[in-house]
Amino acid sequence: QKEVEQNSGPLSVPEGAIASLNCTYSDRVSQSFFWYRQYSGKSPELIMSIYSNGDKEDGRFTAQLNKASQYVSLLIRDSQPSDSATYLCAVNSAGNSGNTPLVFGKGTRLSVIA
Amino acid sequence: EADIYQTPRYLVIGTGKKITLECSQTMGHDKMYWYQQDPGMELHLIHYSYGVNSTEKGDLSSESTVSRIRTEHFPLTLESARPSHTSQYLCASSEGYGYTFGSGTRLTVV
Repeated sequence: QKEVEQNSGPLSVPEGAIASLNCTYSDRVSQSFFWYRQYSGKSPELIMSIYSNGDKEDGRFTAQLNKASQYVSLLIRDSQPSDSATYLCAVNSAGNSGNTPLVFGKGTRLSVIA
Repeated sequence: EADIYQTPRYLVIGTGKKITLECSQTMGHDKMYWYQQDPGMELHLIHYSYGVNSTEKGDLSSESTVSRIRTEHFPLTLESARPSHTSQYLCASSEGYGYTFGSGTRLTVV
């Protein structure tokens, strides 16, 4: 069974610091990797996607992928209290009809302290 | 401004009732999904569809059904609600890879 593992946290960082969120996955043929942010009581919203090894930067967010280690991470620079949320890692693989549905981790709860 | 709509937003219903959770999207996406999420837990796939008249079962599909008669509409039906169905139900659609989620339906079965 395909699994996506995340440390549930909470991860507490001071305002302005770098928050580092980690995720491992079990399916070696996984091809697409996503980070979603979910505020309490709200739906997940997509913040980053990454498909190839290396780093991908978008504003204060950087996604890092290492397929050999089956590891994906999200860095948030200059963390703000508004970044306080649960961050979900999601993975899918190639199937016979195209990409398979996303498998989500349990999420890491991030708390940015002002 | 949401492009994927779920109704109702909240629902409290008695055990044994039949319920349908509605999901519609205006983006023309072929792929649509239903996930269930308990507080602090991961999303579990219930059903998904890759186009009209195409539906597939996920991990939690045994007590519900879906239909996809129109591209924009993907309703989820529970034939007989039970307290164990109390949860948040999230609908999502996708054009390629990443999902857009609706606001969700919070269901309570009493």
